[in-house]
Amino acid sequence: EVQLVESGGGLVQPGGSLRLSCAASGFTFSSYWMHWVRQAPGKGLVWVSRINSDGSSTSYADSVKGRFTISRDNAKNTLYLQMNSLRAEDTAVYYCARGGRIAAAALDYWGQGTLVTVSS
Amino acid sequence: DIQMTQSPSSLSASVGDRVTITCRASQGISNYLAWYQQKPGKVPKLLIYAASTLQSGVPSRFSGSGSGTDFTLTISSLQPEDVATYYCQKYNSAPPYTFGQGTKVEIK
Repeated sequence: EVQLVESGGGLVQPGGSLRLSCAASGFTFSSYWMHWVRQAPGKGLVWVSRINSDGSSTSYADSVKGRFTISRDNAKNTLYLQMNSLRAEDTAVYYCARGGRIAAAALDYWGQGTLVTVSS
Repeated sequence: DIQMTQSPSSLSASVGDRVTITCRASQGISNYLAWYQQKPGKVPKLLIYAASTLQSGVPSRFSGSGSGTDFTLTISSLQPEDVATYYCQKYNSAPPYTFGQGTKVEIK
């Protein structure tokens, strides 16, 4: 059974940093592109970032470019999102999601999400 | 960047009704279009990928169509358990993988 379990969310002050983790199991993690998607309270889904299977290629939404860094450790079956210079508008539930074995694939499994609150 | 526009933003229909949601891309995306269902308080779930391919386990009352810039999600006979917000997403290999703004479906 495919499982994605996020952790690392919490309350952080504006300008602060946080690192999210997503532990994957039930599939060959090193073969899949992975994504982060966020959802502000009461709002819609927003794609944040993606990383290819070996970690050599990454992409970001303009709203987080230069502040967030996606990475992965295939030996630990774990996806990360390092978030720096956090702003109030980054407050959201952050989901990790599995893509495909290629870049052009839908997100077929999602974690339960971890809440990040940016507030003083 | 390619924009994804859904309509309507919300709808109310009776049990058994046929429901159609539209998603329009600002540029052609071939069939790289997915639909997701998010029930209140729950995690998004993939319903349809490649514009018209039903994800395993999804009821056959859901269907998708379209290619290029115009896409539709149809629920052939609305059920109470279909109350949710539905999102389209483009996933051709050029990021960002933009979502539509969502369509909230309620029972009348």
